Amino acid sequence: DVVMTQSPASLAVSLGERATINCKSSSSSGNYLAWYQQKPGQPPKLLIYWASARESGVPDRFSGSGSGTDFTLTISSLKAEDVAVYYCHQYYSVPFTFGPGTRVDIK
Amino acid sequence: EVQLLDSGGGLVQPGGSLRLSCEASGFTFSNYVMSWVRQAPGKGLEWVSGVSGTGANTYYADSVKGRFTISRDNSKNMLYLQMHSLTAEDTAIYYCAKHLGGLNTHFDYWGQGTLVTVSS
Repeated sequence: DVVMTQSPASLAVSLGERATINCKSSSSSGNYLAWYQQKPGQPPKLLIYWASARESGVPDRFSGSGSGTDFTLTISSLKAEDVAVYYCHQYYSVPFTFGPGTRVDIK
Repeated sequence: EVQLLDSGGGLVQPGGSLRLSCEASGFTFSNYVMSWVRQAPGKGLEWVSGVSGTGANTYYADSVKGRFTISRDNSKNMLYLQMHSLTAEDTAIYYCAKHLGGLNTHFDYWGQGTLVTVSS
């Protein structure tokens, strides 16, 4: 199975500042990598797919990069509504796997 | 508008069975792979099972293989997850999720989830 790890586990960022979340896969996932945002009591919401393609309607302050085993989600200028848990997800091979999540809060 | 309506969750005793349903609308259901993803209380996401558009091919996580069965009825736009031999470790919110297209594509839509609680 492809094991996904994320760092940091949590981070607190000031409003308007940059937040960076890293995701690493135990073997190459090519660019078969998505990022989801989850707020309390809600299902996950797709942000990024194919490692760097932004889903329609997602603000352009969210961006993804990377390929192979190392990926990054960047929120360029944090807004209050971005407080959530963020998960990376590889869909390169079955069983599909997710990272453990990164909690983003306001400093 | 794509909609996925999960249902069928509830309280079940250890060793019991439950069938989850997901009613899909707003897209040509038979054209898309569908999956179930679960989330234990306060924990992360775990992919459980997937099924091809025709229903001919099914995929399972090792944690549920042999106990859970995924199926679909394309005439009714319905996805199912039959769960047997449930344990406390199966307690979770279960989400149905639509793939963008084939198996190796991301989940572009999610249901609201249905809570399964396994407890005596």
